[in-house]
Amino acid sequence: AQSVTQLDSHVSVSEGTPVLLRCNYSSSYSPSLFWYVQHPNKGLQLLLKYTSAATLVKGINGFEAEFKKSETSFHLTKPSAHMSDAAEYFCVVSDRPSSASKIIFGSGTRLSIRP
Amino acid sequence: EAGVAQSPRYKIIEKRQSVAFWCNPISGHATLYWYQQILGQGPKLLIQFQNNGVVDDSQLPKDRFSAERLKGVDSTLKIQPAKLEDSAVYLCASSSRTSGNNEQFFGPGTRLTVL
Repeated sequence: AQSVTQLDSHVSVSEGTPVLLRCNYSSSYSPSLFWYVQHPNKGLQLLLKYTSAATLVKGINGFEAEFKKSETSFHLTKPSAHMSDAAEYFCVVSDRPSSASKIIFGSGTRLSIRP
Repeated sequence: EAGVAQSPRYKIIEKRQSVAFWCNPISGHATLYWYQQILGQGPKLLIQFQNNGVVDDSQLPKDRFSAERLKGVDSTLKIQPAKLEDSAVYLCASSSRTSGNNEQFFGPGTRLTVL
């Protein structure tokens, strides 16, 4: 069975400082992993995805994540936070390559940015 | 390119009433998903379609929820009768293929309040 755990429900950082949002997963197969962002009153948007290519994945808006199989982690980072990064972030795991892949969302991490 | 369209955006009903939500995916996207997002939680997959066939409905409460995608394009999700715990945002997403490593594009959601 697969699952995904976002270790922090809320993270608060100062503008210009690094961001770290933690995600651990479990999967019986080689997983695909995603990070989505949800801004208030807006739809979910893909930040980045890992699908068994390079373990360090670069996404939009300066975010990146590293797939670490030994630690079953896929943490999201950004070197310098911007006020516009304030949003809810979801880590997602999906089994591959099954045509009926199970898609599981984490419970989300709310990122707040202090001026 | 037009995004995923959903209607209505908001709906308020009383318990035991019925309600239906509509979704029109991105043109050409064969895979369509319905999610339920309860306040403070991550989206939970209710049902996944590949064209007009159901790929996964294991988390759909079939005693009260139903969904169809008769022509393999737009889709309707129905709740009958509604319960208080059905209050949530219902998200529709589409992707170009069924495989779990593909990006999903999300609509703005329908916020349902059951009184």
